Amino acid sequence: SQKIEQNSEALNIQEGKTATLTCNYTNYSPAYLQWYRQDPGRGPVFLLLIRENEKEKRKERLKVTFDTTLKQSLFHITASQPADSATYLCALQTGANNLFFGTGTRLTVIP
Amino acid sequence: GAGVSQSPSNKVTEKGKDVELRCDPISGHTALYWYRQSLGQGLEFLIYFQGNSAPDKSGLPSDRFSAERTGGSVSTLTIQRTQQEDSAVYLCASSPNNRQNNEQFFGPGTRLTVL
Repeated sequence: SQKIEQNSEALNIQEGKTATLTCNYTNYSPAYLQWYRQDPGRGPVFLLLIRENEKEKRKERLKVTFDTTLKQSLFHITASQPADSATYLCALQTGANNLFFGTGTRLTVIP
Repeated sequence: GAGVSQSPSNKVTEKGKDVELRCDPISGHTALYWYRQSLGQGLEFLIYFQGNSAPDKSGLPSDRFSAERTGGSVSTLTIQRTQQEDSAVYLCASSPNNRQNNEQFFGPGTRLTVL
């Protein structure tokens, strides 16, 4: 069966450290992989998209890697800040236009 | 500019009643999606509209669920004879559906509580 797993339900880190979130998938062949941020009571907000032929993508303090052999994406937030505390969702896009979402990892950055 | 809006923001209903949830997508976005998010769960795809094409209804959990998109813009998700397990946040998203970037823009959601 198809499955998208994000490493842990919750992750706590100290301010200033790098947060690393994992997204593993099985039985998908995604053309794209996206990461979203979701704050309580709000809809998800798009952060980054990485294509299947890209290894790495960066945006400010964010970095995403995509390994189609391992079927894994890593999402890094460097120099983390309390304002980065939120739930982060990975989403796979196959050839069609649907996105399939993971259950998310709730990140808490401790001051 | 205006983002995706949804109404109502909260809806409490009694088991067995019908409900309608509304989504106003970003102007010019051809793709519109409905998702359901239960507590502690990921987003569950429900239905997808793309322009004038027949919608992809593969995610609808039962025939009590239906959706329309009139004039390629506003969409309404209808749940008939609501059950307690329908309680969730219903999220709508729109996308320009550019194959180079399928970024989805989400509304704030409608929180549905079925008593």
